[in-house]
Amino acid sequence: DAGVTQSPTHLIKTRGQHVTLRCSPISGHKSVSWYQQVLGQGPQFIFQYYEKEERGRGNFPDRFSARQFPNYSSELNVNALLLGDSALYLCASSLLGDGGSPLHFGNGTRLTVT
Amino acid sequence: DAKTTQPPSMDCAEGRAANLPCNHSTISGNEYVYWYRQIHSQGPQYIIHGLKNNETNEMASLIITEDRKSSTLILPHATLRDTAVYYCIVRGNNNNDMRFGAGTRLTVKP
Repeated sequence: DAGVTQSPTHLIKTRGQHVTLRCSPISGHKSVSWYQQVLGQGPQFIFQYYEKEERGRGNFPDRFSARQFPNYSSELNVNALLLGDSALYLCASSLLGDGGSPLHFGNGTRLTVT
Repeated sequence: DAKTTQPPSMDCAEGRAANLPCNHSTISGNEYVYWYRQIHSQGPQYIIHGLKNNETNEMASLIITEDRKSSTLILPHATLRDTAVYYCIVRGNNNNDMRFGAGTRLTVKP
């Protein structure tokens, strides 16, 4: 079975630009979460969506937004990119949105902002 | 969510059991203990989780103390491929934010 897939795998953008990252969850999973991982640190929570509705938001500026589509895939959008947005962006899916449903992560999109 | 405390690094000999400790003294009754690991340049890999009882799967065993204030992840026969950063996370049932700390860097040596 296919795991969580993310695209693109790598991306280079310039300060001030906009970026869209995409995620396809494991088949049958209804919840998608997004995390940011800066080099040398653990992942930090950005958003969680369940059944196309936002269930949670981390401490990130409004430049970050996301959505979930009817097929449960998801996009993360970041506007007005800053150098500090350079990171590994991870998508995770789970069967349900509760604490007993393990998150399964993709291998991420490596974003570099120059 | 309750915070967790893990040693920053550990070594283990190949073929031996790796026992990774985690303290979570402020855990609440409805919070789960989760373990993930991350190998360089990959996403975190789910290992195991539990609420109150000990758990075992094909990858590892999770031992949770009776008072639930600490737990131990056991890799029964460590291999070189188990070298990774291991994260212990406490996660509430209604809280969708899994807070990753710094984790334990496990190095399995030949």
